[in-house]
Amino acid sequence: RKEVEQDPGPFNVPEGATVAFNCTYSNSASQSFFWYRQDCRKEPKLLMSVYSSGNEDGRFTAQLNRASQYISLLIRDSKLSDSATYLCVVNSRSFQKLVFGTGTRLLVSP
Amino acid sequence: DVKVTQSSRYLVKRTGEKVFLECVQDMDHENMFWYRQDPGLGLRLIYFSYDVKMKEKGDIPEGYSVSREKKERFSLILESASTNQTSMYLCACGQGPSGEQYFGPGTRLTVT
Repeated sequence: RKEVEQDPGPFNVPEGATVAFNCTYSNSASQSFFWYRQDCRKEPKLLMSVYSSGNEDGRFTAQLNRASQYISLLIRDSKLSDSATYLCVVNSRSFQKLVFGTGTRLLVSP
Repeated sequence: DVKVTQSSRYLVKRTGEKVFLECVQDMDHENMFWYRQDPGLGLRLIYFSYDVKMKEKGDIPEGYSVSREKKERFSLILESASTNQTSMYLCACGQGPSGEQYFGPGTRLTVT
């Protein structure tokens, strides 16, 4: 079983739609959680950290459910520029050692 | 902004060649990492370093070595390149307990 699992997608949504991704992780001792965004042929970039209380950054909302060991990302009012692959990332084993999911691809169409 | 640079964007090498990939960061971060990224497998950690001259194996260190002589520079070495090392190589740096990492633009290595 993979340490971090994501639905690869693609998720095809029209502009303005709301879309949500989930991610599950296997190590209950995990401490830190992130969503990274990766554009085609580019490096991953930190989108947002995920806190136990949940957090919001503009159109993006991240939630953590420790009991069920999953993380979610909600994107409201999707833009064409949101088209990318979204990586779920967990600090699973030791300080600063991150485990990456394989990503969920989002395609936003006009 | 953190800036992480990698020596080459694209590299083509022959089987058996020794390959050096260099990474430089300008933000004085303690920790540096080398990953490779392959379709369907995601990012996998090759080696990382918490300090100068210090290195630790990641999940897939076989066939690779690293060098960190200065805080800002972390090199990945393929002692004898093989075709199964054809991949995208990404360097990252980070600092602090949160674990956030910042990536360089990547080097797409092809071994023929």
